[in-house]
Amino acid sequence: EAGVAQSPRYKIIEKRQSVAFWCNPISGHATLYWYQQILGQGPKLLIQFQNNGVVDDSQLPKDRFSAERLKGVDSTLKIQPAKLEDSAVYLCASSLVAGEETQYFGPGTRLLVL
Amino acid sequence: GEDVEQSLFLSVREGDSSVINCTYTDSSSTYLYWYKQEPGAGLQLLTYIFSNMDMKQDQRLTVLLNKKDKHLSLRIADTQTGDSAIYFCAEEYSSASKIIFGSGTRLSIRP
Repeated sequence: EAGVAQSPRYKIIEKRQSVAFWCNPISGHATLYWYQQILGQGPKLLIQFQNNGVVDDSQLPKDRFSAERLKGVDSTLKIQPAKLEDSAVYLCASSLVAGEETQYFGPGTRLLVL
Repeated sequence: GEDVEQSLFLSVREGDSSVINCTYTDSSSTYLYWYKQEPGAGLQLLTYIFSNMDMKQDQRLTVLLNKKDKHLSLRIADTQTGDSAIYFCAEEYSSASKIIFGSGTRLSIRP
């Protein structure tokens, strides 16, 4: 079984530029999560999708971050414009259902904002 | 509030047992997890325990849960160099159906 795929693996941009990350969850997983992991910290949930609907985006800085999962499979996370403090690893995870199922993580996208 | 706390570092000698401790806040958590993160990699689920259990053993891993004290521990027997990683404790925050992670414990192995 293929795992969660993410791209790109690394991205370096200047502040005020835009960036987008892509995630392909495990086939059949209804729930998809985006996490932000700042160096030295644990992952922090940004947004959770159940199929193509948003379940929780309370921690998403909506003035600059957006995410979508149009067909209930792949998802993109966008930052526009980026700030220095957005430098982090962005992890995507998926689970069969929400809450009661194990989350499987992708390798992450490491973002550096200069 | 939501909070999961862990010590930041642990150093053990190869072949000894490692014990990583964690405290959490949500007494109604259903699941508690241990994840492992190696450099440059995503999080790998090591094991999890249901809140109605006190202990779970899986090969070299033993998880102990003290619900009264909201304390979770992970014991790795016969620690090997391949166990070097950051270990994250996480609880399912049941009121919001989301997982809250600790800051991670960096385990280093000395010869």
